[in-house]
Amino acid sequence: SVLTQPPSVSAAPGQKVTISCSGSSSNIGNSFVSWYQQFPGTAPKLLIYDNDKRPSGIPDRFSGSKSGTSATLGIIGLQTGDEADYYCGTWDASLSAELFGGGTKLTVL
Amino acid sequence: EVQLLQSGGGLLQPGGSLRLSCAASGFAFSNYPMSWVRQPPGKGLEWVSTIGYNGDYTNYADSVKGQFTISRDNSKNTLYLQSHSLRVEDTAVYYCARDTWTGTDHDAYDIWGQGTVVTVAS
Repeated sequence: SVLTQPPSVSAAPGQKVTISCSGSSSNIGNSFVSWYQQFPGTAPKLLIYDNDKRPSGIPDRFSGSKSGTSATLGIIGLQTGDEADYYCGTWDASLSAELFGGGTKLTVL
Repeated sequence: EVQLLQSGGGLLQPGGSLRLSCAASGFAFSNYPMSWVRQPPGKGLEWVSTIGYNGDYTNYADSVKGQFTISRDNSKNTLYLQSHSLRVEDTAVYYCARDTWTGTDHDAYDIWGQGTVVTVAS
């Protein structure tokens, strides 16, 4: 993928974790980043949009940030119910295409 | 309730035809661009295509350009994806999604359909 995410991350319940998404000036560097949560067999769900905004109903345990050509999803107070795949997404102006990261599997040990 | 309800798909043959539908409810469908995103088995998300508010703008991933056609009928609040030349590598779960933009900046896909399985095999 043009957007690079770690394949997996893990942490204990109650702890915090960050998931990175690395791109370039043609995508993350000049576009909004969004983050999606996906449980097995279900549709993705929007967690973060416009780099750091949460849709209504998303707990403030989830946060997003962007710096230069990288973005980060943060989750604090981890719960077993947070175990899922997480994807970043952004527009690439040079490709005229929406891009997704390869996805990160979160395990709450 | 804001909802996207998908239909279509199934087991199809290589070179065969596909028509997926996505019926919107609970919001002003004609006010939003719409997109299709697919997910091959065991893999990540892949953007497929986007259509503007009234269908005057369409955009396709290079992997499906010339093969897939996106369309919409605002009188029926329905989005479509069609193909007349399916390939084995088109096997995936296909999702429709509501698209949000701020000016020329893409915000996110904020509402997703439940997904429909398309399997292309002989």
